[in-house]
Amino acid sequence: SSEMTQDPAVSVALGQTVTITCQGDSLRSYPATWYQRKPGQAPLLVIYGRNNRPSGIPDRFSGSTSGNTASLTITGAQAEDEADYYCNSRDSSGIHVLFGGGTKLTVL
Amino acid sequence: EVQLVQSGGGWVQPGGSLRLSCAASGFIFSYYDMHWVRQATGKGLEWVSSIGTAGDTYYPGSVKGRFTVSRENAKNSLYLQMNSLRAGDTAVYYCAREIHYGSGGYIFDIWGQGTMVTVSS
Repeated sequence: SSEMTQDPAVSVALGQTVTITCQGDSLRSYPATWYQRKPGQAPLLVIYGRNNRPSGIPDRFSGSTSGNTASLTITGAQAEDEADYYCNSRDSSGIHVLFGGGTKLTVL
Repeated sequence: EVQLVQSGGGWVQPGGSLRLSCAASGFIFSYYDMHWVRQATGKGLEWVSSIGTAGDTYYPGSVKGRFTVSRENAKNSLYLQMNSLRAGDTAVYYCAREIHYGSGGYIFDIWGQGTMVTVSS
């Protein structure tokens, strides 16, 4: 398969934990990356590889992968975490770039 | 400062052409693979093209044969020539730098500010 599937929308109460998932066969071969996108802004890298955070990304963001499913977990969600989140990887050729459809996270 | 600054974009009629530019600064541009990614209003991120350090290019089926990505290392610049534009190409277009890590991993660590392309009659 050359697709990656995400739930369109997820909500979480302020301060609670939420997990956003991404499914795709290519995730068995290639690591997942997660981007956060807020309106009017360029995408921001939040998690890559097994569980790596770029400098400046809070440690409440974490990632994991099992089989064909990658997960992004926010432990203690904050109001500023409300955004769209996209998973990203390669297709089976290892050449073409894939993005999941995105998950809109609402912090209640 | 490491940055990508985009220019170009705007409004064009269906069937028309447009060229986007992306100027890199603060890093050795020729060392990096580069990409174009777009997002239509209400839709998700979509990869549009990539170009390797050796000039190898790749496209998804949705734009292959219509879009051409190129680079001019001497000018630290990336380009996207878009021909035969359709309403479905209307989107904000971003350029992005790719860096590799570990075994097979890559990330887009630097993004341009985005530029709007509107295809409409």
